[in-house]
Amino acid sequence: QKEVEQNSGPLSVPEGAIASLNCTYSDRVSQSFFWYRQYSGKSPELIMSIYSNGDKEDGRFTAQLNKASQYVSLLIRDSQPSDSATYLCAVMQGDSSASKIIFGSGTRLSIRP
Amino acid sequence: DGGITQSPKYLFRKEGQNVTLSCEQNLNHDAMYWYRQDPGQGLRLIYYSQIVNDFQKGDIAEGYSVSREKKESFPLTVTSAQKNPTAFYLCASRSGYTDTQYFGPGTRLTVL
Repeated sequence: QKEVEQNSGPLSVPEGAIASLNCTYSDRVSQSFFWYRQYSGKSPELIMSIYSNGDKEDGRFTAQLNKASQYVSLLIRDSQPSDSATYLCAVMQGDSSASKIIFGSGTRLSIRP
Repeated sequence: DGGITQSPKYLFRKEGQNVTLSCEQNLNHDAMYWYRQDPGQGLRLIYYSQIVNDFQKGDIAEGYSVSREKKESFPLTVTSAQKNPTAFYLCASRSGYTDTQYFGPGTRLTVL
């Protein structure tokens, strides 16, 4: 079992619709979770971080965390063509003295006009 | 500007050569990381460092070496022992307050 799993896609969503991206993780004691967006040929950029169960909203983006189910998701409302990118889920493992962040392999999102 | 810089942006290497990729940050972060990304793939951890003069191997450390003599700098050397070094290399640093990792712009290495 991979430590952080994502559906590789591509996920195709019509412009203006809601895009839903999902991620599961294996380490039950993980406390910090992140979503990054990566455009082709560029480095990842942080979209959202989430640390406690529930929803966290930032503009058109909502991150959802369920630690009991070891599941984290990202919703993108009113999807725009500029949202077309690969979305990476990341989970921090270990304590602060020896922590590292594990990345999923990413979900490719395509917003069709 | 605060941030992470990597140089060069593109690097070409002949087989059998060692090359060093630069990574500098002025964010005052203690932890720094090196990742490798192959086309269509996720990020794989090469080495990471939590403090100056200390570093740990990641999942794919063979054929690579690092040093951490200064807090701001974490250079990566790709040695001739790395059999397939052509890839996109990403350096990151992590905030001790939010645990968030921030990435540099990356170096694209091609072996000729």
